[in-house]
Amino acid sequence: DTGVSQDPRHKITKRGQNVTFRCDPISEHNRLYWYRQTLGQGPEFLTYFQNEAQLEKSRLLSDRFSAERPKGSFSTLEIQRTEQGDSAMYLCASSINSGSPLNEQFFGPGTRLTVL
Amino acid sequence: AQSVAQPEDQVNVAEGNPLTVKCTYSVSGNPYLFWYVQYPNRGLQFLLKYITGDNLVKGSYGFEAEFNKSQTSFHLKKPSALVSDSALYFCAVRDSGNKLVFGAGTILRVKS
Repeated sequence: DTGVSQDPRHKITKRGQNVTFRCDPISEHNRLYWYRQTLGQGPEFLTYFQNEAQLEKSRLLSDRFSAERPKGSFSTLEIQRTEQGDSAMYLCASSINSGSPLNEQFFGPGTRLTVL
Repeated sequence: AQSVAQPEDQVNVAEGNPLTVKCTYSVSGNPYLFWYVQYPNRGLQFLLKYITGDNLVKGSYGFEAEFNKSQTSFHLKKPSALVSDSALYFCAVRDSGNKLVFGAGTILRVKS
C-alpha cells in the first residue's frame, strides 16, 4: 500500500500524559499536513511542512503541541500534558508541491485520540 | 479568509434517484474547490476538484460537481444514487499555503 499511513490508529490516554503520533506520507510528496477533526465537524488545519520546514501553524496549535518532520520524510505530532479537549481524530495528509494550487491532498486513516 | 458552507446536515435519497449535496463558498480571488468523502473510521478520500473554466467537473465513483460563479456554489451531484454512496461528504476550499478549509460536512443516506 503506497498511501498515507498513520500510527497508532487509536490511542487512549489519561489526562496529563504526553502522546506522540506518526505519519508516513506518500513517498514522493514533499508537503505534509496535520488536521484535527472533532465529532460532527470538518477537519481543521493544524500545521504543514514543505520538506523538513514547518511553514505554517494554526492558532489552534497551542504550545502543548509540537510537530516535526526530520529529513523531510515522516512526521510526528506530539501533544504534551493532554487535556480532555484534545480528544479528536488527528488526520495527516500529503501532496506534491508542483506550483499548482490544485494538487489534491491524500489523507491517511487518522489517529483517534481519547483522553480520559 | 476563505470559507465554505454546507447548509444541510443530512441528505436522504432513495437508491436510483439523483442526489445533490450542496456547498457554497466565500473566497477572495480564484476559488479552488474540492469534494472529499469519509467512510466510518476512515480518512478522507478525494472525489473531485474544480479547475477554472470547467463548470461541470467529473470525479470518482460517478460523482460530478457543478460550479456556479454567480451563486458562489459548488454542488456535488450523482445521477443515480447507490446505497454504498452513504457516507459523510465534505466540501473544501484551498487557503494560503495550499491548506484546506472544510465545511462541517453533510451526511448522505441512500435507502434501498
